[in-house]
Amino acid sequence: DVKVTQSSRYLVKRTGEKVFLECVQDMDHENMFWYRQDPGLGLRLIYFSYDVKMKEKGDIPEGYSVSREKKERFSLILESASTNQTSMYLCASSPGGGRTEAFFGQGTRLTVV
Amino acid sequence: DAKTTQPNSMESNEEEPVHLPCNHSTISGTDYIHWYRQLPSQGPEYVIHGLTSNVNNRMASLAIAEDRKSSTLILHRATLRDAAVYYCILRRNAGNNRKLIWGLGTSLAVNP
Repeated sequence: DVKVTQSSRYLVKRTGEKVFLECVQDMDHENMFWYRQDPGLGLRLIYFSYDVKMKEKGDIPEGYSVSREKKERFSLILESASTNQTSMYLCASSPGGGRTEAFFGQGTRLTVV
Repeated sequence: DAKTTQPNSMESNEEEPVHLPCNHSTISGTDYIHWYRQLPSQGPEYVIHGLTSNVNNRMASLAIAEDRKSSTLILHRATLRDAAVYYCILRRNAGNNRKLIWGLGTSLAVNP
């Protein structure tokens, strides 16, 4: 079974802190994604990556950056956390090469106080 | 971007079939139709996808209208474990832009 593992299930950070959310997938997938999920807004794409060191902005990249130094790991960085970044963050990966299904991690519930 | 429209909620009885509708009237020719579901406190889980033809797998069936402006996810016999939010989404595959376009989903309740 494909496993997408997010480093934390719950996280509480202070306003202004730099926050790292880590995601690792174990199936050699080409594509990786970061979403945030908020009530009434659904899932919104922050960033995605289709190869090592490659990244593209999604719909709401402001206030975030990403890093993909190795194929299996995709990190989301909140440069200076703010209260409006309190949300559920979901990482996903998909194989590429014509296979389209995405596999999601369990999510990280981030609270910024 | 093409969007999808689903009912906010639906209810079903255990062991009965469930038909979850989705409208995507502005779908483009290269958009794949994907269905995912999200159980409480978990990340979304892939269910099924298709382009033009109806599709079956071990979890569900996907019926796609001839004009592709709507589709229906069919759970043949609902169980209590099928209670989840079901998302009908379009996968845009333009070059490297392989993102999924998510709606708000249908919350399915299954009664014992």
